[in-house]
Amino acid sequence: ETGVTQSPTHLIKTRGQQVTLRCSSQSGHNTVSWYQQALGQGPQFIFQYYREEENGRGNFPPRFSGLQFPNYSSELNVNALELDDSALYLCASSPGSETSYNSPLHFGNGTRLTVT
Amino acid sequence: DAKTTQPNSMESNEEEPVHLPCNHSTISGTDYIHWYRQLPSQGPEYVIHGLTSNVNNRMASLAIAEDRKSSTLILHRATLRDAAVYYCILRDWGSSNTGKLIFGQGTTLQVKP
Repeated sequence: ETGVTQSPTHLIKTRGQQVTLRCSSQSGHNTVSWYQQALGQGPQFIFQYYREEENGRGNFPPRFSGLQFPNYSSELNVNALELDDSALYLCASSPGSETSYNSPLHFGNGTRLTVT
Repeated sequence: DAKTTQPNSMESNEEEPVHLPCNHSTISGTDYIHWYRQLPSQGPEYVIHGLTSNVNNRMASLAIAEDRKSSTLILHRATLRDAAVYYCILRDWGSSNTGKLIFGQGTTLQVKP
């Protein structure tokens, strides 16, 4: 069983640029969520996708957007990067069906984004 | 969003039991209590979850107070590999039905050899 994989592992961008982060969910999982973790803080929920539709969003501006593909992999896009966007971005997948209510989330090891 | 309160840090000796406390006085009747841990340079890892009854699995035990306003994660024999940040989380299904995890600051556990 392949776990959640994220790419790239590290990335350096300049303020104002755009970035795309990628996530492959665990086999059989149709729900993907993204979290932002600033240094020394707990992760914060950005949004969640279920069967290619966004079905929940945290307190993040519209320049944070995402996609989920038919194979349930996902992308996080951030436009107009700001210095405060520097963080670890975590992707998590879960089964997402009624029978798996409260099933654990499986996290990848994240992409470390540095904005200069 | 329901909140949890944990000590910032705790220390333990290797091979001794560790009791990590969590307060969640505003918990609602349908909130499950989840614990995740995050090892250095890794994403969070699921540990255990429960609703009302105490729970055991291969990693840990979860003791839930009768009024559900607090819980304790128990590591029966700490090893050096258990050094991590431990997060106590009330899984929020709310109106959006996302089941998002609301992380606090967590407890940093140090394990001494």
